[in-house]
Amino acid sequence: KAGVTQTPRYLIKTRGQQVTLSCSPISGHRSVSWYQQTPGQGLQFLFEYFSETQRNKGNFPGRFSGRQFSNSRSEMNVSTLELGDSALYLCASSDSLLGNEQFFGPGTRLTVL
Amino acid sequence: EDKVVQSPLSLVVHEGDTVTLNCSYEVTNFRSLLWYKQEKKAPTFLFMLTSSGIEKKSGRLSSILDKKELSSILNITATQTGDSAIYLCAASPTGNQFYFGTGTSLTVIP
Repeated sequence: KAGVTQTPRYLIKTRGQQVTLSCSPISGHRSVSWYQQTPGQGLQFLFEYFSETQRNKGNFPGRFSGRQFSNSRSEMNVSTLELGDSALYLCASSDSLLGNEQFFGPGTRLTVL
Repeated sequence: EDKVVQSPLSLVVHEGDTVTLNCSYEVTNFRSLLWYKQEKKAPTFLFMLTSSGIEKKSGRLSSILDKKELSSILNITATQTGDSAIYLCAASPTGNQFYFGTGTSLTVIP
């Protein structure tokens, strides 16, 4: 089975712009979670989607949003970028809703200038 | 506030040593605790521990969940340079929403 894929792998944006990141889960996995990883804060949960519905949401401002399509692919959008949004954004997929193993993608490295 | 704390923040050992990494959690309605290994790429899954499965072992790695103390340990015996990585602990209160610790950076010197 192919693993979780994320595109693009690297992005450079300027403050105020918006960005869309994409995640394709492992085939058959319907749960997709997004995380932000920074050196100071570690991995922080953004949100989780299952069957096109957001099931859980972390403590991030409304500038961070996401969606999931019928094929389970998910996108994450960040509007009005700030310098502090520079981070590695990781997507993880799971075949379960029960807090079981999540498989992570390689991440998208976002740099905001 | 739900949180996960790992200790130590970093560790340097020699090959062959045994290490113990700690993870404590305060998570409402705790369901599961996961350990991951992260090298210069995405985290890779090591173990999942739940109330019904509090001890796991795979080769030189083993992990125990202490439900009373709200903590878990990850043991690595006979360490090798390939064990050098950041080890992450994550606890879930519900479904697939995980709270991660900031990780323990392990460096194994030949």
